[in-house]
Amino acid sequence: EVQLVQSGAEVKKPGESLKISCKGSGYSFTSYWIGWVRQMPGKGLEWMGIIYPGDSDTRYSPSFQGQVTISADKSISTAYLQWSSLKASDTAMYYCARRFPDMDYWGQGTLVTVSS
Amino acid sequence: QSVLTQPPSASGTPGQRVTISCSGSSSNIGSNTVNWYQQLPGTAPKLLIYSNNQRPSGVPDRFSGSKSGTSASLAISGLQSEDEADYYCAAWDDSLNVVVFGGGTKLTVL
Repeated sequence: EVQLVQSGAEVKKPGESLKISCKGSGYSFTSYWIGWVRQMPGKGLEWMGIIYPGDSDTRYSPSFQGQVTISADKSISTAYLQWSSLKASDTAMYYCARRFPDMDYWGQGTLVTVSS
Repeated sequence: QSVLTQPPSASGTPGQRVTISCSGSSSNIGSNTVNWYQQLPGTAPKLLIYSNNQRPSGVPDRFSGSKSGTSASLAISGLQSEDEADYYCAAWDDSLNVVVFGGGTKLTVL
């Protein structure tokens, strides 16, 4: 069974760093793109970027380029989304999803709250 | 302002057929396939339709998708109470180099 399991909810202060994770199982992790999608409170879905764990090829949405870093560790079948300096406007639910451009399996989401 | 345009809301009674539209442009829907996602309240999105009209395994055939030119639509027949959810269309955009989503349509089953 294909599963993407994300790390738990986070509460951070502005300026802090954060790295959330997405662990894949039940399939060949290195053979499928993993993407990240943001959903701000009460809003729609926004595509942030993707990574191909097989060779770490990474693409970013221009809206998120330079704001976040997407990475993967294929030895533990895990993809990451990280921030070096969080802002209050980063408060959102973040989902990882397999495959591109049609995302067929999704993680359960990681809620990130940034508040002073 | 989303790149793909969906009606913010739709509704129907049990058993009815409803359609949700998704309008784009030549750089997204006009030149790439459309996918639809269903997001039940408080849950992660789920792929409902891919490649314009293909259903993943396990998705009932009450759900169907179509595309014509720069527009697409999702049809739900035999509406059920459990279909009450937000529905999003999405496609790759060749100009923006991103996956673009519609703003979402909240479906209410009356």
